[in-house]
Amino acid sequence: EIVLTQSPGTLSLSPGERATLSCRASQSLSSSNLAWYQQKPGQAPRLLISGASSRATGIPDRFSGSGSGTDFTLTISRLEPEDFALYYCQQYGRSPPTFGQGTKVEIK
Amino acid sequence: QVQLVQSGAEVKKPGASVKVSCKASGYTFSTYGINWVRQAPGQGLEWMGWISVYNGNTNYAQKVQGRVTMTTDTSTSTAYMEVRNLRSDDTAVYYCARGSGGGWYTPLDYWGQGTLVTVSS
Repeated sequence: EIVLTQSPGTLSLSPGERATLSCRASQSLSSSNLAWYQQKPGQAPRLLISGASSRATGIPDRFSGSGSGTDFTLTISRLEPEDFALYYCQQYGRSPPTFGQGTKVEIK
Repeated sequence: QVQLVQSGAEVKKPGASVKVSCKASGYTFSTYGINWVRQAPGQGLEWMGWISVYNGNTNYAQKVQGRVTMTTDTSTSTAYMEVRNLRSDDTAVYYCARGSGGGWYTPLDYWGQGTLVTVSS
């Protein structure tokens, strides 16, 4: 199965700063079948990005995704208070779909 | 609006079975597949499998193959997941999530609220 490695494990930033989260796949993802999810404590995950770079419905444009092959990035251009959360990447191109271990974005 | 509403928390003994339900509304149920994802306490997300509501095809994770059965009831727009022979490491929050397309190879665009299953003697 494809292993996704997210880095860093924790990102300590202040509101207004830029966040850059990385997701590296153990094999190349054809068709950029990569998604990003946000999860807050006690809540279900929420889809942010699919197809590596397409924002889901209702997602603010401060969230952007990029990358291809094995290296993908989620960027939050200016952190809002509600953006401090856990973020997971997921590949859904090869069975089984797999998730990264997550990156926590915390308030510095 | 699209909603997935899951059944309530369960406490089970090792070796027992549990069946979690996921009632969908706000869209044509048969058009999209349903995935099941679990999250052990303090841990990450683990995909368990997918079922096509359209034709009942399934794709299960190897780790749970043989102990998990996913089904749907189109008359009530409800998906079910049964886990048999429960072990302590099955303790987790179980989520249903809609696949954004017809197959298992799609992102998960709507999620249920989660069902906590606790396995304890």
